[in-house]
Amino acid sequence: QKEVEQNSGPLSVPEGAIASLNCTYSDRGSQSFFWYRQYSGKSPELIMFIYSNGDKEDGRFTAQLNKASQYVSLLIRDSQPSDSATYLCAVSSGGYNKLIFGAGTRLAVHP
Amino acid sequence: EAGVTQFPSHSVIEKGQTVTLRCDPISGHDNLYWYRRVMGKEIKFLLHFVKESKQDESGMPNNRFLAERTGGTYSTLKVQPAELEDSGVYFCASSEQVGDGYTFGSGTRLTVV
Repeated sequence: QKEVEQNSGPLSVPEGAIASLNCTYSDRGSQSFFWYRQYSGKSPELIMFIYSNGDKEDGRFTAQLNKASQYVSLLIRDSQPSDSATYLCAVSSGGYNKLIFGAGTRLAVHP
Repeated sequence: EAGVTQFPSHSVIEKGQTVTLRCDPISGHDNLYWYRRVMGKEIKFLLHFVKESKQDESGMPNNRFLAERTGGTYSTLKVQPAELEDSGVYFCASSEQVGDGYTFGSGTRLTVV
């Protein structure tokens, strides 16, 4: 079992729809959870982080964390073609100083 | 504010040669990280500096890899001698506090032939 699992996709959604990206992790001791967006050939860009159970909203993005189920998700409302990218889930390990990344989910938003 | 800068952006070297990658973190960021992504795999942690000290180097694959951070500013990652399996994209990232989300550099794509 991988430490951080994501569906590789592609997840295809129409413009204006809600995109739902999911991630599960194996280390119950993980405390910090991050979502990065990576465009092809570019570096990962931090878009959201969450530390506590529940929802955290930032603009069109909502991160959801359920530590009991070891599950974190990212919702993108009103999806735009510019949101088309690979979304990486990352989970802290070993006392915060390093992140374990999932393989990423490719999102394709079509007009 | 300047971002994390990595140099070179691409490097093609022959097996057995030496390559040195450089990373300049965001000014004031004490925490500097090296990660790499080999073909088809997840981004993997290599090591973490706090200022000039190695906080965690548990991800370094073997002793052919040497990282330094002189004076707590820029960092270098040297691979000597390079092997084919070292090919991939090497990312540097920095953060002000441990636990913060990182800012990544644009990466160095290393190809060993």
